[in-house]
Amino acid sequence: DVKVTQSSRYLVKRTGEKVFLECVQDMDHENMFWYRQDPGLGLRLIYFSYDVKMKEKGDIPEGYSVSREKKERFSLILESASTNQTSMYLCASSFPDLYGYTFGSGTRLTVV
Amino acid sequence: KQEVTQIPAALSVPEGENLVLNCSFTDSAIYNLQWFRQDPGKGLTSLLLIQSSQREQTSGRLNASLDKSSGRSTLYIAASQPGDSATYLCAVPIDTGRRALTFGSGTRLQVQP
Repeated sequence: DVKVTQSSRYLVKRTGEKVFLECVQDMDHENMFWYRQDPGLGLRLIYFSYDVKMKEKGDIPEGYSVSREKKERFSLILESASTNQTSMYLCASSFPDLYGYTFGSGTRLTVV
Repeated sequence: KQEVTQIPAALSVPEGENLVLNCSFTDSAIYNLQWFRQDPGKGLTSLLLIQSSQREQTSGRLNASLDKSSGRSTLYIAASQPGDSATYLCAVPIDTGRRALTFGSGTRLQVQP
């Protein structure tokens, strides 16, 4: 069974900390994505990647960066966590275009 | 920019009813449309993927249709069960050149026993 694994289900971090959210997929998918989900705002795309070492900004990249050194791993980095980054973070992967997405189970991040 | 709208935002039905969830999108030049289910506090589970050349897809009690020309899709759930209670989201590619999805805000379904 195909899987997208997010390293943490729940995280609590302090304001100003550097935070790493990890996502690993075992399906040899080219594409990987990071979304955040907030009540009333739905899912919003932060960053995505078509291939190793490639990245593209989504709708809300400010305050975030990403790293994709290996095909199976896509990391989201909060350079200096702020309270407005408290959210549910969802990672997904896919083959190009014609195939569906597979999502991880999400990381609920609280910044205090 | 592609925009996706889902109606209704919330729906409560008694067990056993058939129901329809609606999704509309602004740009009809889509590769595919996908329906997801999300349980509270969890990630998204893919239910059905309809390619642009298809008009419908079926999986068990679920049937999704796609009308590209009118920018609409419907998800039909037959004989609803309490276990169907969840939020249902539809999503389409952001635009023809990119592979990321844009999502509707979802329909929160409650099936009463």
